[in-house]
Amino acid sequence: EVQLVESGGGLVQPGGSLRLSCAASGFTFSSYWMSWVRQAPGKGLEWVANIKQDGSEKYYVDSMKGRFTISRDNAKNSLYLQMNSLRAEDTAVYYCARGSGADYGMDVWGQGTTVTVSS
Amino acid sequence: SYELTQPPSVSVSPGQTASITCSGDKLGDKYACWYQQKPGQSPVVVIYRDSKRPSGIPERFSGSNSGNTATLTISGTQAMDEADYYCQAWDSSTGVVFGGGTKLTVL
Repeated sequence: EVQLVESGGGLVQPGGSLRLSCAASGFTFSSYWMSWVRQAPGKGLEWVANIKQDGSEKYYVDSMKGRFTISRDNAKNSLYLQMNSLRAEDTAVYYCARGSGADYGMDVWGQGTTVTVSS
Repeated sequence: SYELTQPPSVSVSPGQTASITCSGDKLGDKYACWYQQKPGQSPVVVIYRDSKRPSGIPERFSGSNSGNTATLTISGTQAMDEADYYCQAWDSSTGVVFGGGTKLTVL
């Protein structure tokens, strides 16, 4: 079964850091672009970042450049999102998704992990 | 930055056809896809590459994209289709862009 499982979410104070992980199974992870998408409470979907199969290309939404870093470990079938200098407005469910969001969209999504930034 | 605009809500009677639009500058020159999200669940892609349906998505879901507007059409809408729908495209300057979402009510 094709599956993505996120972990690493939780409660963090403003200015703090958090590293999210996404474990992939059931498909050849190294063959796919991967993405992070977030959804604030009661709001719509917001793309965060994506990364090419070999990690050689990474793209971010402008508002998160410099604070968030996407990476992957193909040997471990895992995707990561390092989040620094967190703000209250970063509070959201963070989804890992297979695909770049280009022509084929994102065809597999994880269940999401919740990040709450609050003092 | 590139933006996609959707109507906040659309209502449809069971068995009728629902159309959800997504507008963006020269959107027809890009590929559009559509996601369905039900409460408490992760999004599911229902249309990719403007009009392609992934396996497992019912035939009543169809899509088109031309000019500045992409449209998701649900024929013979069922109660189970009630959900939030998001369009999405990729822009060379902005990256991945989602529309604001449309709440489809089947009543």
